[in-house]
This record gives sequence, C-alpha cells and structure tokens, in this order.
Amino acid sequence: DAGVTQSPTHLIKTRGQQVTLRCSPKSGHDTVSWYQQALGQGPQFIFQYYEEEERQRGNFPDRFSGHQFPNYSSELNVNALLLGDSALYLCASKILTGTGHTEAFFGQGTRLTVV
Amino acid sequence: AQTVTQSQPEMSVQEAETVTLSCTYDTSESDYYLFWYKQPPSRQMILVIRQEAYKQQNATENRFSVNFQKAAKSFSLKISDSQLGDAAMYFCAYRRVNFGNEKLTFGTGTRLTIIP
Repeated sequence: DAGVTQSPTHLIKTRGQQVTLRCSPKSGHDTVSWYQQALGQGPQFIFQYYEEEERQRGNFPDRFSGHQFPNYSSELNVNALLLGDSALYLCASKILTGTGHTEAFFGQGTRLTVV
Repeated sequence: AQTVTQSQPEMSVQEAETVTLSCTYDTSESDYYLFWYKQPPSRQMILVIRQEAYKQQNATENRFSVNFQKAAKSFSLKISDSQLGDAAMYFCAYRRVNFGNEKLTFGTGTRLTIIP
C-alpha cells in the first residue's frame, strides 16, 4: 500500500514565477493538509482540504492556494514566488486509527528553491 | 494562539544509553493531543508517540516514553537503549481536540545524534 506521495521531489523556480506541487494521499484517506518547513524550523500549517473544500487555513497569504480533486489528491499553488518561499513543502493525509483517533501521515515532501 | 517550544537545538547520546528531549507548550485549552514526530534525512515525518491530555497515564511505545506534566505544560520524550537508527530531528507537536481540526503546531525541533 503506497503511502502519501508527493511530486516533484525537488524543483527550482525563479522569483515571481508560479509553482504547483502535488500530493496523492494514502489509499482511503480523504483529508489532506499542507505544511511549509523552512530550513531549521518546524513545519507550519498552510491549509487543510476535505471534500474538495478548504476547511482550515494557517497564517499564509492568498498567494498560497490549493485544490482537492474527487479522488482526494491535492495541489498546492504558490503565485508570485518570493525568495522566502524556499522551503520543504509537506503533505499529510488523515487516517482514522483503530482507537478512534486521527493522526497525520506525511509524505517525503517537495524541496522548493526560489532563486 | 498555541505555541510549542523546544529549547534544545541539538542533543547527543551514546548508543544504548538513555536520552530525554524536552518540550513545553502554551495553550488555554483543557483537551488536546501532544505528539512527538521523528524526521530522518529522508524528510518524512514519522509519528513516534501520542499523548491525549485527558489521560493522566504517560504514553509508552517500546523504547519511547513520555513524561507529561499537564499543569507545567511540559511534554518530554525519553528514548531508552538508543540505537543508531534513532538519529534524526525530533519535533514536538500540539493539536486541539475539535471535530475537523487537523492543524498541528510544531516546535523548532531537536537534532539527535547517536554516538557509536
């Protein structure tokens, strides 16, 4: 069973460009969250998608937008890239455990470098 | 707003010894979850252990255990019989308990080195 898969693994963009990152959740998972992890920092919550709608949003500007498809996969779009957007972008999907708790299951991330 | 603080940027331990990583948090909520995640060089965040705030008993998972002090808002991770594979970044995280909330608030991490 494949876990959470993200693509691409690395990419380099120029300041001012737009980028799209992709995430396929673990089979059966219906909720996807995105995080930004700057170098030397912990991940910061960007937003969460469930039933193709944004349900929660962190403190990120409107340049960060997303989408969830009927198959639960998701995209993160960032417009007008800034040097400060360089980071590891992590996707997490939700699993309901046997104890009734939910926990996040993470992908390996996309390393974005803005030059 | 909830905050999570990890005051130890780096820790090291001899293989087979025990090490404790510290975490403090701030919240006005009475019910929440606390987590320790491990991030190896592969970059994938892996759940190590979870603690529900309403439970007084400290969580344990094999060689990993926590010391949860709710009044002090402290949540430390103890790794016993350290192994080379334990080398990684460790992040403490907090999540409120309410329907549909998936937001994790992370600390800045502790880099753990295992000395052979």
